[in-house]
Parts: sequence; C-alpha cells; structure tokens
Amino acid sequence: EVQLVESGGGLVQPGGSLRLSCAASGFAFNIYTMTWVRQAPGKGLEWISYISSIYNTIYYADSVKGRFTISRDNTKNSVFLQMDSLRAEDTAIYYCARFPRQDAFDIWGQGTTVTVSS
Amino acid sequence: QSALTQPASVSGSPGQSITISCTGTSSDIGSYNLVSWYQQHPGKAPKLIIYEVSERPSGVSNRFSGSKSGNTASLTISGLQVEDEADYYCCSYAGRSAFWVFGGGTKLTVL
Repeated sequence: EVQLVESGGGLVQPGGSLRLSCAASGFAFNIYTMTWVRQAPGKGLEWISYISSIYNTIYYADSVKGRFTISRDNTKNSVFLQMDSLRAEDTAIYYCARFPRQDAFDIWGQGTTVTVSS
Repeated sequence: QSALTQPASVSGSPGQSITISCTGTSSDIGSYNLVSWYQQHPGKAPKLIIYEVSERPSGVSNRFSGSKSGNTASLTISGLQVEDEADYYCCSYAGRSAFWVFGGGTKLTVL
C-alpha cells in the first residue's frame, strides 16, 4: 500500500523549533519529488515547500522562507521539515504529499498538527 | 487571502450537477495547464480528483470532470451523491515567483 505517515507535531512556544518527519512506503521514494502543504485551523490549503528526487532542488513559499528547511533521506524513505522561529500563524496541520511530474499532489499523509502558542 | 478565488459554498440535490469555479490570473491558471482539484472530507487529508486541468487519476469516478477557459478553471460534479459533500480546493502552478497556489476552498452541500 502506498502510504505517507507524518510525525513530529506538537505544541511549541513562539520562537521555538520543531522537526517534522514523513515516512514513505509502498513506492520508490527516491524517484519522487516531495512537498509539504499546511492547513491552518478552519482555513484552506497552503503549499510551503518542495524537494526534488535528485539534485535536491528546493523551493519555499515566501511565508516560510528563511525559517523552514526541507530535506530528505532516500536511504530512510523519509522527508523532513525543520521549522525554526515559529510564529502563531504557523499553527496548522502539516501534510506531506507526493508530487510526481510536478503537476499535482497525488498521495497525502494523514497530517501532523503543529500549535504555536505561549 | 488565497491566490485563486473560489465560491465559499455551493449546493445541489442528489442526482443534479454542480460546477465550482476557480479564478486566477494570467500568471497562474491562464499560463499553465497545471490545474488540479482536491476533495477533502472533514478531518481527513485532501484527495486528488483532477490533475492537468481535466485528467482523472485512476479510481476517481467519471462523475468528476475539469475544464479551463482563460484564467478560470472549473470542476463539474454530475449525478451528485451524498458522499460528494466535502470541501473542494483548486490548485495551479504560478511560475517561479509563487510556485503552487491554492484556492480558498468551496464547501459543497448535498441537500
């Protein structure tokens, strides 16, 4: 079964850090671009980061650029999101999603919740 | 404020057809045939239902169809079923400045 499982969410104070993980199974992870998409409570979806399968081409949305870092470990079939200098507006469910051909997010994880609050 | 504009809500009766619009600009929808649509039930992850404007992934009902004209993309659901009640989001590639942008979402109510 093709599956993505996120972990690492939690409650963190403003200015703090968290590292999210997304473990992939059921497909050849190393050949796929992966992304992170978030959804604030009661709000819509927001694409935030992208990492290509090889050469590690990386993109960020302006809202997280300079604070978040995406990475991947193809030996562990995992993609990560290091989140620093967290703000209240970063409170959201964070989904990792597979991104074949860069035309659509075809497989999504169940999400992990990040709450930034004092 | 979302980059793409969708109606906040639409409704229809079982068996009817509805269309959800997604309006962008010449920098996103108008420039690329990279529009996708996602269905999200409450408390669940989004599910891809349309990619590249009008293509359906394997396993998605042919009651779902997509189209594009100019800067506006549309999702049509025919033969509405109760289980179609969900939030629907459009997404488009927007070039190297904004990359991928979503609409604000449309809540579909099946009466």
